Parts: sequence; C-alpha cells; structure tokens
Amino acid sequence: DTGVSQNPRHKITKRGQNVTFRCDPISEHNRLYWYRQTLGQGPEFLTYFQNEAQLEKSRLLSDRFSAERPKGSFSTLEIQRTEQGDSAMYLCASSLATGVTEAFFGQGTRLTVV
Amino acid sequence: GENVEQHPSTLSVQEGDSAVIKCTYSDSASNYFPWYKQELGKGPQLIIDIRSNVGEKKDQRIAVTLNKTAKHFSLHITETQPEDSAVYFCAASMGNQFYFGTGTSLTVIP
Repeated sequence: DTGVSQNPRHKITKRGQNVTFRCDPISEHNRLYWYRQTLGQGPEFLTYFQNEAQLEKSRLLSDRFSAERPKGSFSTLEIQRTEQGDSAMYLCASSLATGVTEAFFGQGTRLTVV
Repeated sequence: GENVEQHPSTLSVQEGDSAVIKCTYSDSASNYFPWYKQELGKGPQLIIDIRSNVGEKKDQRIAVTLNKTAKHFSLHITETQPEDSAVYFCAASMGNQFYFGTGTSLTVIP
C-alpha cells in the first residue's frame, strides 16, 4: 500500500484523557500536514512538517495539541486533557516539498470524546 | 491568511446532467487549486487540480477552470453518475498549506 496511512481509524476517549494519533505518509513525500475536520466543514489546517522540521504550528488549536515527526518519516499528533470540543476527524496528508504539488490524504482518525 | 468561499453548499442533479461548483479565493499569491471528493467516513480524495499558469484542465468527465483576475475557479462534472454523489471541496495553496472551502454536497438522482 503506497497511500497515507492513519491509525487508529476510530478513537473513543473520556474527557481529560490524552490521545495520540499516528500518520505514515507516502514514502517519498517529505512534507506532512495535519488537519482537523468537523461535521459539515472543510479541513482546517493545524500544522505541517518538512522532513523532521515543524515549519508551522501557530494554527494548532491550543497548547494541548502537539505534533512530532522525529525522524522525518511517520508523525504523531497528541491531544492532552481532551475536551468534548476536540471530537472531530483528524486528517493527515503528505506531499513532495518541491514547488507546488499535490497533497494526498489518509482516511483520518475519528475522535469521540465522551 | 487565505479565505476560500464555495458555492453552493448542496446540489442535486439528475443522472446525466452536468454539475458546477464554484469557489473564490482572496489571496492573489495562491497558485495551486486542487479539488477533493470526500465520501462518508473517508478522507478527501484528490480528483483534479489546476495551477495558476493554466486556465482550464480536463480529465474525462471532470474539468476545472481558473480565472486569476477574478480570483475564482470552478469544477465541472458532465454526464453525472450516482457514484459522483459525495462532498466536494475546493482548496487554494501558496505551496506550504492548503485552505479549504466549506464543501458542496452533491447528490446525483438516478
């Protein structure tokens, strides 16, 4: 499978717990993006990496959100002290970094905070 | 930042008819405009894109047009089929992130 892979596909957690999602990009892609999508809305940009460098993180929703890409391959998105408002689909996408290029999305992780 | 507006929010067409979805963007620096199709419970799937140096691009039943002066671009689907039913998103990019419209829910009635 050469597409973007996200795990888990679904996560149900209790309010206040921490959750971590994983994204494995297309192997030759060195740019990786995280988006959040709520019902009836388009994807909302959170952060992106070029290789292991996080080049934009000001759009992360709060300091409870953090992302890493330690070796420039897979990435993790962590949400600490989850709130009900964090319930959403979390999408990962990857692309080549050279110029303007297509971004391909994974199937997403659906988070439900109860 | 970039602001992308998309219309209509819902669209119903008879099978075989054409469907048109329109988007506008605000930042003239945007130079790449992809369109995504999203089915329920799945991630967005890239279906066609256009770069700012091109006015029109076609791929079988799908075409996209871009008017840089007016800052708008459109998706055209001809000979619609029931499997075209989905939510469609336009996006604009300057190369480092993508700004999405709010989506169009297309229903093709058999």
